[in-house]
Amino acid sequence: RKEVEQDPGPFNVPEGATVAFNCTYSNSASQSFFWYRQDCRKEPKLLMSVYSSGNEDGRFTAQLNRASQYISLLIRDSKLSDSATYLCVVNILSSNTGKLIFGQGTTLQVKP
Amino acid sequence: GAVVSQHPSRVICKSGTSVKIECRSLDFQATTMFWYRQFPKQSLMLMATSNEGSKATYEQGVEKDKFLINHASLTLSTLTVTSAHPEDSSFYICSATQGLTGNTIYFGEGSWLTVV
Repeated sequence: RKEVEQDPGPFNVPEGATVAFNCTYSNSASQSFFWYRQDCRKEPKLLMSVYSSGNEDGRFTAQLNRASQYISLLIRDSKLSDSATYLCVVNILSSNTGKLIFGQGTTLQVKP
Repeated sequence: GAVVSQHPSRVICKSGTSVKIECRSLDFQATTMFWYRQFPKQSLMLMATSNEGSKATYEQGVEKDKFLINHASLTLSTLTVTSAHPEDSSFYICSATQGLTGNTIYFGEGSWLTVV
């Protein structure tokens, strides 16, 4: 079983739609959680951190459920520029060093 | 601007040769750097954790003699792909953290390696 699992998609949505991505993780030692965005052939860029209380940044809302080991990302009012791969990332503290484990990524394509 | 610089961004080499990729932290001292590899349409896979002044910790399935990692200073880690083969062609990317929890994580721009 993968440590971080995501539906690879692609999710094809029209502009203005609301879309939700889910992610599950298996390691209960996971300490912190993130959503990264990766454009084609580029390095990942941090979109937002994820907290149990939930956090919102403009059109993006992230949520963490530690009991279910589940992370979500909601994008409202999708823009063409939101088209990218969204990576669910978990930081696991191992031997006094944190290491990031990446999900496979979910591809979003926003159509006009 | 970039706080982690990775070089070269693209490299083509012949089978059997070695290629070195550098990862530099520009404005901070990175006690820990990570090296990832990403094949097309796949996730970033952690290859190894590089700690300044000590041997790298490799993930299961990653050959330490093939992927040599050196972290000689607090601002530089290098990955050398030795005796490269076409199947080593991939996107290699480094990241650096400033703390144990890794809440401040910076990625290099990545290096595209093509072995012909």
